Amino acid sequence: NAGVTQTPKFQVLKTGQSMTLQCAQDMNHNSMYWYRQDPGMGLRLIYYSASEGTTDKGEVPNGYNVSRLNKREFSLRLESAAPSQTSVYFCASSRDRGHGYTFGSGTRLTVV
Amino acid sequence: AQSVTQLGSHVSVSEGALVLLRCNYSSSVPPHLFWYVQYPNQGLQLLLKYTTGATLVKGINGFEAEFKKSETSFHLTKPSAHMSDAAEYFCAVSDRGTYKYIFGTGTRLKVLA
Repeated sequence: NAGVTQTPKFQVLKTGQSMTLQCAQDMNHNSMYWYRQDPGMGLRLIYYSASEGTTDKGEVPNGYNVSRLNKREFSLRLESAAPSQTSVYFCASSRDRGHGYTFGSGTRLTVV
Repeated sequence: AQSVTQLGSHVSVSEGALVLLRCNYSSSVPPHLFWYVQYPNQGLQLLLKYTTGATLVKGINGFEAEFKKSETSFHLTKPSAHMSDAAEYFCAVSDRGTYKYIFGTGTRLKVLA
């Protein structure tokens, strides 16, 4: 099925470990986004890529890096995980500004 | 900076009753407006959106929302709640010309039998 695919679905990390969350879309969308979802706080934008070759910081970028590998793929890297990064991470894509997002099913990350 | 407020983190309605979920935004210039639904352990799904044109917008699953500029509101309604509507609902806004969306904190809808 067409859509946004995120891997892994679940991950437990120890404090200080690193990992990369993968995201791929097959809808030929230009824009891609990484959000984190925490109880009572809605979704907060970490980084986004308006188009292939560009990335920009969102609301909560500290502790994260991203790579727009090509038009399909947008990865999120945690260099040194902290317990405060325990969250559910969602990748989304959009055809262009003003269009709605298509979301992936999320990655539930726990940092102990 | 743009902000969005969803009044009521939890709303309960009886099956068959009207659903009303509230959303207000802060911008003086009409933004793009969206409602998303999230079922447990799933990603968010677009319900409906307003970008321009008709202020009453119809979406999936019988939901609709009305953009009211004078009230800076975009409330979500459904005439008759169904058990399958139980989920969390998020309002989102984006300023025209930007790529960033701001999400509300969500309203969890409970439907009582």
